[in-house]
Amino acid sequence: DGGITQSPKYLFRKEGQNVTLSCEQNLNHDAMYWYRQDPGQGLRLIYYSQIVNDFQKGDIAEGYSVSREKKESFPLTVTSAQKNPTAFYLCASSIADSGTEAFFGQGTRLTVV
Amino acid sequence: QKEVEQDPGPLSVPEGAIVSLNCTYSNSAFQYFMWYRQYSRKGPELLMYTYSSGNKEDGRFTAQVDKSSKYISLFIRDSQPSDSATYLCAMGGFLGDSGGYQKVTFGTGTKLQVIP
Repeated sequence: DGGITQSPKYLFRKEGQNVTLSCEQNLNHDAMYWYRQDPGQGLRLIYYSQIVNDFQKGDIAEGYSVSREKKESFPLTVTSAQKNPTAFYLCASSIADSGTEAFFGQGTRLTVV
Repeated sequence: QKEVEQDPGPLSVPEGAIVSLNCTYSNSAFQYFMWYRQYSRKGPELLMYTYSSGNKEDGRFTAQVDKSSKYISLFIRDSQPSDSATYLCAMGGFLGDSGGYQKVTFGTGTKLQVIP
């Protein structure tokens, strides 16, 4: 079955640690996205990539980094510079770089302990 | 003022009711309109996608867009307990002569509960 796989589902991070969230898709989509979801704030765009080896900052990129070495993969690293990392992180992909008709993964819940 | 406004609810309705979910927006550049359904602790799934003003129907769901009023709606007929979820509106569009696309902007979501 085609889809987007995010792992892990739950992740705990200690203060000062970097953690990497995995996102893999087998939909053959060129565009991939990372969003952060907080209660009452909707989805906010962190980073997006329209093609391999290229990515752009979204609205809240500070404290995050990404790579796009393969079409199928778009990992997100939450660095120690991110002051409030506890959130629900969602990865998405779409055929067109318009971002419309996006398919989402099941999310990763990151908690700082 | 937010670009996209959506009442967070919660909205509680009895099973079988017609549900109306709405969003308003301020950016006239938005041309694509989407509705996503998100169950608790899951990723959103695309329900409806429309490009122009008017109505689009898919089973029990109808999406309505009124660009002149900058207002979109999602209607759910014969609502079921399995429809209990958070519904997110989303919209995007072209950037015109500069090329590329307006990034997709999401509403905050409306939580719906359908009571058996």
